[in-house]
Amino acid sequence: AQSVAQPEDQVNVAEGNPLTVKCTYSVSGNPYLFWYVQYPNRGLQFLLKYITGDNLVKGSYGFEAEFNKSQTSFHLKKPSALVSDSALYFCAVRDNTNAGKSTFGDGTTLTVKP
Amino acid sequence: ETGVTQTPRHLVMGMTNKKSLKCEQHLGHNAMYWYKQSAKKPLELMFVYSLEERVENNSVPSRFSPECPNSSHLFLHLHTLQPEDSALYLCASSQDQQGYTGELFFGEGSRLTVL
Repeated sequence: AQSVAQPEDQVNVAEGNPLTVKCTYSVSGNPYLFWYVQYPNRGLQFLLKYITGDNLVKGSYGFEAEFNKSQTSFHLKKPSALVSDSALYFCAVRDNTNAGKSTFGDGTTLTVKP
Repeated sequence: ETGVTQTPRHLVMGMTNKKSLKCEQHLGHNAMYWYKQSAKKPLELMFVYSLEERVENNSVPSRFSPECPNSSHLFLHLHTLQPEDSALYLCASSQDQQGYTGELFFGEGSRLTVL
């Protein structure tokens, strides 16, 4: 069975500082990894994904994530946080042997303070 | 305008009512999904349709009944719900389902309150 863990319920950073939202995963085959963001009373929006290739992937709004196979991690990062980045962030994994089923983490609430 | 549209955005119903949630995708995708998002709980996959056939039903109570009349439309029919069914119901679509490497496209959600 595949699973995703987001160890932090809440991450607080000051505007202008770098941010990291952590994600670790477990799958039986090659992982397809995704980050989504959800603003209040909205649906989830896709940020970025890792399928294959370079371990560092870049996505929307200046976000990037680093795939680390040995640590089974896919942490979301941004060099300089904005107040508007405050939202709920979900990591998701899809196993290419699991009929395309996606498993989501519990979510991490990011708060960026001015 | 989002590629996935959900209506209504807000719904309040009594436990004896019958109502439906509607989802429409304008992306030409072949797979559609219903997710339930409750406070303090992880996102729960309820149903998956691929090419209008139901391919997954994750032990969802029969008071939730999905319908997929074509690849662009997905409904969730609700009857005799319980207060614990109050949640945000999210519809999503993807180009394909099995073997797919791309992302899901979500609608804005339907906020359901059961009194």
